[in-house]
Amino acid sequence: NAGVTQTPKFQVLKTGQSMTLQCAQDMNHNSMYWYRQDPGMGLRLIYYSASEGTTDKGEVPNGYNVSRLNKREFSLRLESAAPSQTSVYFCASSEVAGLDTQYFGPGTRLTVL
Amino acid sequence: SQQGEEDPQALSIQEGENATMNCSYKTSINNLQWYRQNSGRGLVHLILIRSNEREKHSGRLRVTLDTSKKSSSLLITASRAADTASYFCATAPSNTDKLIFGTGTRLQVFP
Repeated sequence: NAGVTQTPKFQVLKTGQSMTLQCAQDMNHNSMYWYRQDPGMGLRLIYYSASEGTTDKGEVPNGYNVSRLNKREFSLRLESAAPSQTSVYFCASSEVAGLDTQYFGPGTRLTVL
Repeated sequence: SQQGEEDPQALSIQEGENATMNCSYKTSINNLQWYRQNSGRGLVHLILIRSNEREKHSGRLRVTLDTSKKSSSLLITASRAADTASYFCATAPSNTDKLIFGTGTRLQVFP
């Protein structure tokens, strides 16, 4: 039982490049989330999926897109990376959106040059 | 946007002492949660307290919730060096299905 897994662990991009961050959970959770964490700013919600087939914007969605591929997988795409997107990205999942404990992955550290 | 704000931002104590962290928020909530983050790692859930609960315990952790003051506290008793981490409160606002995280308290426990 791996919980929440994220790939890759580290990534360096040049401005304008695109990439997809992958997230998978094996807890049969309905809800999944993408956050970014910047120094001194806590976690900010980018997008979330309350259930399979739905996605909604969080606090900082600009520059990102998401796909809930199936119940297990939720990917985050940067179409044209910018230095302001340098951050640590965390995926999380929970049984019920907003009412339950969230379980976090280990994070992806992204640097955009 | 509504956000839990932790106080203090940083706290340094000796092993064996108690550590208290506070969280304030702005609007009505379904629940409030506390998470721990070790340096460079993901967040780990500690305690969830619902809006109709006033106090909850888990091992050396005690969480209180005062909805009239819109505040919560996390007490870690008999702290250990291994408790060194950042602690975040997260609120689940009543009118949404999201969690809103605060900026965290950095706890340093010296042996």
